[in-house]
Amino acid sequence: QSVLTQPPSASGTPGQRVTISCFGSSPDIGTNAANWYQQLPGTAPKLLIYGNDQRPSGVPDRFSGSKSGTSASLAISGLQSDDEAAYFCAAWDDSLNGWVFGGGTKLTVL
Amino acid sequence: QVQLVESGGGVVQPGGSLRLSCAASGFMFSGYPMNWVRQTPGKGLEWVAFISYDGSKKYYADSVQGRFTISRDTFKKTLYLQMNSLRAGDTAVYYCARAMNFHDRSAVDYWGQGALVTVSS
Repeated sequence: QSVLTQPPSASGTPGQRVTISCFGSSPDIGTNAANWYQQLPGTAPKLLIYGNDQRPSGVPDRFSGSKSGTSASLAISGLQSDDEAAYFCAAWDDSLNGWVFGGGTKLTVL
Repeated sequence: QVQLVESGGGVVQPGGSLRLSCAASGFMFSGYPMNWVRQTPGKGLEWVAFISYDGSKKYYADSVQGRFTISRDTFKKTLYLQMNSLRAGDTAVYYCARAMNFHDRSAVDYWGQGALVTVSS
């Protein structure tokens, strides 16, 4: 059972905007920044959003992140078939002195 | 470019030991905190261990505390994970992962390709 809570699945049609939520608690998202990762089948995770809302170089601006209190969200606009992947949220947990992850959301592009 | 290459995975019996290595290149290894993160096939990610950029701080997940040891060799630019008293529940793909900057809590930005560890009799 993951510390951070994400919906197991999400879906959308090409061009749509989808949002994935991530619920945490005070020691993790409530205190530290949320990060998001994209994982394509058979590959390692790729950093998509860090510091709640920052995009690493090379990540399209179709991907955006936000945080409010103890929850965070990832939004993907202009959905493309290439976006079909698993998405994980993560945050440092002050009580564990380590990273905690969400269980992952599998995004399907219909 | 940043590269992290894990090695040392394999099949081991319950109670056995294994040491994973992660060879780093393309960045100043001594300036970055490093982590091990594992993933059970078809399941989610679980953080395993953290080591600060200078090796002075080491943190472990409760599930591996006392059994696993993280270490780093600056001259060899290599990260290690010594795994002892292995259990079936330790079966996973183990990723070596770099933090973005010298701060302990900076986001993990680069991951290796992963090393599969299978604990089975």
